[in-house]
Amino acid sequence: GDSVTQMEGPVTLSEEAFLTINCTYTATGYPSLFWYVQYPGEGLQLLLKATKADDKGSNKGFEATYRKETTSFHLEKGSVQVSDSAVYFCALLKNQAGTALIFGKGTTLSVSS
Amino acid sequence: ETGVTQTPRHLVMGMTNKKSLKCEQHLGHNAMYWYKQSAKKPLELMFVYNFKEQTENNSVPSRFSPECPNSSHLFLHLHTLQPEDSALYLCASSHRFQGSETQYFGPGTRLLVL
Repeated sequence: GDSVTQMEGPVTLSEEAFLTINCTYTATGYPSLFWYVQYPGEGLQLLLKATKADDKGSNKGFEATYRKETTSFHLEKGSVQVSDSAVYFCALLKNQAGTALIFGKGTTLSVSS
Repeated sequence: ETGVTQTPRHLVMGMTNKKSLKCEQHLGHNAMYWYKQSAKKPLELMFVYNFKEQTENNSVPSRFSPECPNSSHLFLHLHTLQPEDSALYLCASSHRFQGSETQYFGPGTRLLVL
């Protein structure tokens, strides 16, 4: 079945460090891919998305490129801030009616000053 | 983000109680979803409604009963819950059309069953 695998956390970084959170997926066809972020005590917020191969999603300094050849959608940021501390979820959506998001387990990021 | 609201934000209930969770979306969407987020587990889809019709029930126990009176409102009625039902319950909405669609989430209701 379809699935999303994220790197295990927690990820602990110092402010201004480079961030990579790995995400790979298993799915037939051409799913859309998403990164959501969950700040403490809150719901999920859409961070970025990509709908087809080689698309790059970007928002708030975060980027991820849809790589069909490696079935990956790794999240990157060049310089993290303390305010980026949160849980990050990679997800896929099959492009057909009646489907819902399939999420990875989430990766906790902790950034210290 | 006030596009999808959920009430209450926190709820404590006993196993014999009956309560309801409410979700409202102000985005003009026509699909709504309930997800469950438990500690140490991936988010799990519970129910999907398209144009007020339930199109997916992900093997959810009958002690959870959804209701979608219109495209803007979604309820989750709870009765005789178990302690393992304690979790964050997230509502989401999207606009159905052919192709990719983005789901927008509410802040969630954190439920504790005693």
